[in-house]
Amino acid sequence: GAGVSQSPSNKVTEKGKDVELRCDPISGHTALYWYRQSLGQGLEFLIYFQGNSAPDKSGLPSDRFSAERTGGSVSTLTIQRTQQEDSAVYLCASSPRQGLPYNEQFFGPGTRLTVL
Amino acid sequence: AQSVTQPDIHITVSEGASLELRCNYSYGATPYLFWYVQSPGQGLQLLLKYFSGDTLVQGIKGFEAEFKRSQSSFNLRKPSVHWSDAAEYFCAVGMDSSYKLIFGSGTRLLVRP
Repeated sequence: GAGVSQSPSNKVTEKGKDVELRCDPISGHTALYWYRQSLGQGLEFLIYFQGNSAPDKSGLPSDRFSAERTGGSVSTLTIQRTQQEDSAVYLCASSPRQGLPYNEQFFGPGTRLTVL
Repeated sequence: AQSVTQPDIHITVSEGASLELRCNYSYGATPYLFWYVQSPGQGLQLLLKYFSGDTLVQGIKGFEAEFKRSQSSFNLRKPSVHWSDAAEYFCAVGMDSSYKLIFGSGTRLLVRP
């Protein structure tokens, strides 16, 4: 079956512009996660969705970052007024059941964001 | 705070040689431990995981890892590396009552022909 897909695969934007990153999880997966991978760094947790609600947004680095999920499926991560330090690969993952550590997370290929 | 350390940023091995990638974690209780592999342009793929029981776990692609509680380690091993194993490897830890994984900074594996 289809895996987690993300679009666009690459995004180049100018400082100060807004961007939207999209994630399509595996069909039927109720848990969805966003992570950020900066150059030479591990993955940094951003936000977790269970269904359409986000019980934990604590990883979002600033109020310029927001995310939503609709229909228990597609999720959009929005970054407003982008800054150069936002440049990173943004990874989405989904899990078939309530997000607990023993449930495997399936990752998408990521969106590489470059802010000029 | 919980953390994961992968002390080797880069490792180069010859094809056919054995491999060990190190991972140390900081967590007070028994963690859930994972190794993921990321090939260029690909998402992360789960190689293996440890939750409980036998401390030596087998994964895909001929990889194995051993949980050593006394050393807070979960090192990844492979007896004979193939050129296709060249990738970046991430160790991650999960905790009870938490859904997020904490990742190490990764080890990039290069394979010499």
